[in-house]
Amino acid sequence: EADIYQTPRYLVIGTGKKITLECSQTMGHDKMYWYQQDPGMELHLIHYSYGVNSTEKGDLSSESTVSRIRTEHFPLTLESARPSHTSQYLCASGTSGGPRLDEQFFGPGTRLTVL
Amino acid sequence: KQEVTQIPAALSVPEGENLVLNCSFTDSAIYNLQWFRQDPGKGLTSLLLIQSSQREQTSGRLNASLDKSSGRSTLYIAASQPGDSATYLCALANTGNQFYFGTGTSLTVIP
Repeated sequence: EADIYQTPRYLVIGTGKKITLECSQTMGHDKMYWYQQDPGMELHLIHYSYGVNSTEKGDLSSESTVSRIRTEHFPLTLESARPSHTSQYLCASGTSGGPRLDEQFFGPGTRLTVL
Repeated sequence: KQEVTQIPAALSVPEGENLVLNCSFTDSAIYNLQWFRQDPGKGLTSLLLIQSSQREQTSGRLNASLDKSSGRSTLYIAASQPGDSATYLCALANTGNQFYFGTGTSLTVIP
């Protein structure tokens, strides 16, 4: 079954640690996105990719980086985690053609807490 | 910059009622509009996608409409059920391939 996966689902980590949040999709989508969402707040786009070797920064300034070496995989890395990074991180993918162009599909999210 | 507003922020209705959720936006140059539901602590589940050339979409008890000229979309839920309790978000894709989300309407359906 085509789907989008995120691991870990929950992460509690100390300040200064390097972390990588994983996102994989089996739908063959070219477009992938990372959003940050604080409780009760709107989603903010932090990174996106239109395909392999394509990465762009979104609206929200972020200290994270992403890579897109394979179509199905779009990991997000924080080199040095800080308490201000505590949030929910949502990964999404989307089509780049066809009648449902730019429909987005979301993973279950990773809730990150930095102590 | 596109601004997306969802009213009301919270809504509580008895089971069985029909209800309407509203989404308004400031820039009509949109590519599509998508309605999502989000359960607490979870990701977003896509409900309906309306392309800019369409006026409405239906899926089961859900009907979404789009009026670009007035900058409005509505999500109509018929015969609400307790399982419909969640936060409902609308999101717009503009022609520059950027996405803008509302802050959502938190719906509680009381048995």
